[in-house]
Amino acid sequence: DAKTTQPTSMDCAEGRAANLPCNHSTISGNEYVYWYRQIHSQGPQYIIHGLKNNETNEMASLIITEDRKSSTLILPHATLRDTAVYYCIAAAWNFNKFYFGSGTKLNVKP
Amino acid sequence: GAVVSQHPSWVICKSGTSVKIECRSLDFQATTMFWYRQFPKQSLMLMATSNEGSKATYEQGVEKDKFLINHASLTLSTLTVTSAHPEDSSFYICSARGTDTISNQPQHFGDGTRLSIL
Repeated sequence: DAKTTQPTSMDCAEGRAANLPCNHSTISGNEYVYWYRQIHSQGPQYIIHGLKNNETNEMASLIITEDRKSSTLILPHATLRDTAVYYCIAAAWNFNKFYFGSGTKLNVKP
Repeated sequence: GAVVSQHPSWVICKSGTSVKIECRSLDFQATTMFWYRQFPKQSLMLMATSNEGSKATYEQGVEKDKFLINHASLTLSTLTVTSAHPEDSSFYICSARGTDTISNQPQHFGDGTRLSIL
């Protein structure tokens, strides 16, 4: 599975968009990009995933570059409850083993 | 939908005892379940992959005789930490993936079990 690289931490003002980058330059053609977040002492929560097209759901948008070497998770209007560690994972659809990196600690501030 | 439940959420036991953790998919059938452990301030580490009706596949460095995994049905997998010692104290998390192996559906995670060995 492709290794992903994310910034250690980011700050965002409440109500503003949070843009979380992820680098996955060695991603294979059959690997999807999955985003999860983990709030302290809970299991990871699924946010969104995609292969090559941009995706949007009720939680977030996922922008994947044309060469698929990086992606950005966008939380359009961050709230204090979005403070969490966000993980970007590249994994093949058919086997789906997840190897978590260090993630990005997003701090949403009032 | 896609709810995964873990039980217990928190357990404290004496060194040398065995502890069983259950992972259930409540509203879907899971061909594959995964077990992770997480130490404080660290990321999740994949321990093993379990497929219903077959033996689990363990990641390198994970002792299969120490961490017994059973996936007897499409909605239940169990992890038994045998002869637990203080160094086994950790946050154990399971996840499940549905039976539709054609699609790219994500894993859904339980809320974890905090294990403390005294």
